[in-house]
Amino acid sequence: DAGVIQSPRHEVTEMGQEVTLRCKPISGHDYLFWYRQTMMRGLELLIYFNNNVPIDDSGMPEDRFSAKMPNASFSTLKIQPSEPRDSAVYFCASSLLAAAPQSRETQYFGPGTRLLVL
Amino acid sequence: ELKVEQNPLFLSMQEGKNYTIYCNYSTTSDRLYWYRQDPGKSLESLFVLLSNGAVKQEGRLMASLDTKARLSTLHITAAVHDLSATYFCAVDFITLTFGKGTMLLVSP
Repeated sequence: DAGVIQSPRHEVTEMGQEVTLRCKPISGHDYLFWYRQTMMRGLELLIYFNNNVPIDDSGMPEDRFSAKMPNASFSTLKIQPSEPRDSAVYFCASSLLAAAPQSRETQYFGPGTRLLVL
Repeated sequence: ELKVEQNPLFLSMQEGKNYTIYCNYSTTSDRLYWYRQDPGKSLESLFVLLSNGAVKQEGRLMASLDTKARLSTLHITAAVHDLSATYFCAVDFITLTFGKGTMLLVSP
């Protein structure tokens, strides 16, 4: 398997522009997670999906952020309008539900998208 | 709110030395993960610890879990330069909560 695939790998945009990040999870995985990593705040969970359904979006910073998962092999994270404070590395991760309730196997991370908003 | 604390946050050590990274967490959980991140790279899974007393070893790294103390350790034996990276612990309680990471620098 190719692992979790993210695109683009790098994105530079100007404040106010729309940014769309894309993710293809590992085939067969039923959980998908979006994280943001910054020096100041570390790794933060933004939202996660189970079987394409958003389960918890409490980590989404504000209404400018939205995420979708139209099918099992594709998810997007959109920022509109973007602001300089959104500059970060955005990771997508996927995992497979383990037998125990409320537990999952290891999350596998994609390579990340480095976003710079000028 | 689940809190995950790692210490130290930065560790500079010489090759050949031993050291331990600590990960404390605030809520009962029986599943803990260790990840490695090289500069500018993604996170790579190192260990999954599934129960109290679990111990796993891979090369010069050994991880253990004490769920009663809510503590996991990552022990480094005879460090080599290739181990230089940032190490994260993460606790599974509904979702993964990560510590801030320990930046390890191994020098000759």
